[in-house]
Amino acid sequence: DAKTTQPPSMDCAEGRAANLPCNHSTISGNEYVYWYRQIHSQGPQYIIHGLKNNETNEMASLIITEDRKSSTLILPHATLRDTAVYYCIVRVYSGNQFYFGTGTSLTVIP
Amino acid sequence: DVKVTQSSRYLVKRTGEKVFLECVQDMDHENMFWYRQDPGLGLRLIYFSYDVKMKEKGDIPEGYSVSREKKERFSLILESASTNQTSMYLCASSLLRQDGEQFFGPGTRLTVL
Repeated sequence: DAKTTQPPSMDCAEGRAANLPCNHSTISGNEYVYWYRQIHSQGPQYIIHGLKNNETNEMASLIITEDRKSSTLILPHATLRDTAVYYCIVRVYSGNQFYFGTGTSLTVIP
Repeated sequence: DVKVTQSSRYLVKRTGEKVFLECVQDMDHENMFWYRQDPGLGLRLIYFSYDVKMKEKGDIPEGYSVSREKKERFSLILESASTNQTSMYLCASSLLRQDGEQFFGPGTRLTVL
């Protein structure tokens, strides 16, 4: 599976959009982009995934560039409860494993 | 609501002890996973299982074994605990082999003295 690169930390003001970037320049055609988050002292939580089209659900939006070498997770109106570590993962759909990396620690500031 | 539970949130054991970490899911999922999480290293896969009595090694299986006698239960075993196995252990499950949406338990923080 391809590796991902994320900034180690970010801040976001409460109520504003949080945009979390992820680089995956070695992604191959059959690899999906997944996002998870982990709130302190809890297990990771699935957020969203996509292949090449932009995706949106009740939690977030995922924007994947046309060349698929990078993506952005958007939390449209960040709340204090969104403070967490966010992991960007690329994975073959039929693959067995997730490589979580170290993620981005997002702090939402009141 | 989907649920993955782990037998303990915190566990303290001594070097050389045999340690059992239990994980139960109530979603009738085929696939179950054990990870460990360490600062600066992210989550690393230890073992996974696609079916009852089936198991496959992940990235770091050394020093661990697993057991899946029932579909809903996946156990991680440390045959002889060592201090370098002090870590957060996370169990997860997913419905399909291809399914990237894994559901995680709350984790067990194991300290080996």
